[in-house]
Amino acid sequence: AQKVTQAQTEISVVEKEDVTLDCVYETRDTTYYLFWYKQPPSGELVFLIRRNSFDEQNEISGRYSWNFQKSTSSFNFTITASQVVDSAVYFCALKDSGGSYIPTFGRGTSLIVHP
Amino acid sequence: KAGVTQTPRYLIKTRGQQVTLSCSPISGHRSVSWYQQTPGQGLQFLFEYFSETQRNKGNFPGRFSGRQFSNSRSEMNVSTLELGDSALYLCASRTGDRNYGYTFGSGTRLTVV
Repeated sequence: AQKVTQAQTEISVVEKEDVTLDCVYETRDTTYYLFWYKQPPSGELVFLIRRNSFDEQNEISGRYSWNFQKSTSSFNFTITASQVVDSAVYFCALKDSGGSYIPTFGRGTSLIVHP
Repeated sequence: KAGVTQTPRYLIKTRGQQVTLSCSPISGHRSVSWYQQTPGQGLQFLFEYFSETQRNKGNFPGRFSGRQFSNSRSEMNVSTLELGDSALYLCASRTGDRNYGYTFGSGTRLTVV
């Protein structure tokens, strides 16, 4: 069975601060995929990144970076120099090679960036 | 390229009524999934359709049903509405490759009074 834990329910920061959103996952499979999505107040979940279990390289995209560590089963997401527009709920998701191919989502972390 | 379109955006229904929500996926996406999002339960998977066939189903009662048409558009229906059905219903589409991420619509906010 697959499980995703986002222990941080809500994080509040002031603009320009760096912030890291934690994601810990559980799976028995050796082949799996991890995702991050952003849900702004408009409601639509926006796909941010997909990472497969064989690629442990960290990824950077502008102010966003992701740290994937299989040893600790974590896939953390860091926003550098946060901006008010980053305020949203962020979801981590896991899809293993189980028959259903349906991703499991964490409960989400609400990020509030104050001006 | 148009995104995933869900209609209506907002809906208010009375207990006991039924409701139908619509989702038009991205052109070329043959897989459509539905999720229910509530503050208490988070994102819960309802069902997935691929080429007009239900491929997967979540743990929801039979009052929740869906279908997919030949043009990949999908509808979900909830009968005998209960107060607890109040939620944001999200539709997501993807190509046939199950390893890719979803593209989500903006959702339908259903309120049952």
